[in-house]
Parts: sequence; structure tokens; C-alpha cells
Amino acid sequence: GAVVSQHPSRVICKSGTSVKIECRSLDFQATTMFWYRQFPKKSLMLMATSNEGSKATYEQGVEKDKFLINHASLTLSTLTVTSAHPEDSSFYICSAATWKGVYEQYFGPGTRLTVT
Amino acid sequence: QKEVEQDPGPLSVPEGAIVSLNCTYSNSAFQYFMWYRQYSRKGPELLMYTYSSGNKEDGRFTAQVDKSSKYISLFIRDSQPSDSATYLCAMRTGGGADGLTFGKGTHLIIQP
Repeated sequence: GAVVSQHPSRVICKSGTSVKIECRSLDFQATTMFWYRQFPKKSLMLMATSNEGSKATYEQGVEKDKFLINHASLTLSTLTVTSAHPEDSSFYICSAATWKGVYEQYFGPGTRLTVT
Repeated sequence: QKEVEQDPGPLSVPEGAIVSLNCTYSNSAFQYFMWYRQYSRKGPELLMYTYSSGNKEDGRFTAQVDKSSKYISLFIRDSQPSDSATYLCAMRTGGGADGLTFGKGTHLIIQP
């Protein structure tokens, strides 16, 4: 149980275009999902917290107009990277929180974004 | 000083050895501590979850938390080549659905 999927697993796009990444909890409902970014040999860095039916909360330094987050249902959150630039190339990972006595986070397999 | 410090390695040990992985942290408000395993180009997989100080054991894995020293450890007994991966420590302050603060991860190699 507690499986999280992401789509696509890998995407290459041209500079200036927008890319949407989907995160789904397959066998549980998640009122809260998270988006992280991981650069090579670096920690996972929390970008934003996504709550179903409300606006996302962004971490300091993360541009909300560039990284649009939509959490339209209890099993789906999307991250749209708008007007992507090469410096946005990274590994984007989502997680979904579920209650198991405490809140545990289960991570998706990640999406490798390359902006050319 | 970063919030969570973790030696990136690589740490290379022979099969069957006991592995010790560690993190230190600076924020005394952290209460919940986790260890994740991440294979290359994959998402992190939750291994262990502990609250406050103490030990927790699950099979070959033991997690220890020493809040007084702001130091957490993960021990792996009877290490296997399949344990080769990056191990990330993570922590948060509250028990709710809050974002995690991660260490950089330690790359572990178990030699057959």
C-alpha cells in the first residue's frame, strides 16, 4: 500500500515552454502532497506544500508564478513549470502524506526535467 | 551551518558488515526523524520512522535518535549488496502533514 506515481518520468523541453508533471496517490487519499526538487549530489529541497482544494504554500525563494501547483482532488496534484529555463533542469519528486498513527510521506519515483 | 548535515560518502564496506550511517542537525525543534533509501534515479523509500529520542528496530535496521546531541543514526546488520543505495535522513518539527528537511544523503556501497 501507499503507492505514489508520477508522470512523466522523464521530459525534455525547449527553453520558454511549459511542462506539467502529475503526481497521483494510487491506493490512498492524500489531503496534503509535497513537491521537492533534487539537484545532482544535493539534498531534496522542499518547494511547496499542496493542500486539496486550497492554494499551495511555497517555500522561501520558490517563485509561485513559475511553479504552478494544482491539487484538484484527493489523489492528484500537478506541478507546472512555466517558461522553463535550463537552470530549471532538475529531478522533481512529489510525496503524499497519509495517516498511519503519525503522518508518513510516501514518495513518487520522480520526474527528470531537462530544459534545452 | 546547514540544518541537517550528512556525510555524502561514498561509504564502501564488505558484504556482511555492520553499517553505521549518521546525521547531525542544528534545529532542536525537530521531533520526528526518518530514514529513506533512494536508488539511482528513483524516489526515496521510507525505511524507518522514529519520534523523539530512543531506538527502533525493524529486521536488519536499527534507528537511534539522541536529541541531546542532535545526532541520529541508522545501523544495518548483515549488509547485502542489494543495500547499496543512497540513504537520506529526514526530519520535521511537528507531527502533522509538514514538509521534511533532508540531509544530503550518504552513498553506500556493499561489496560482494
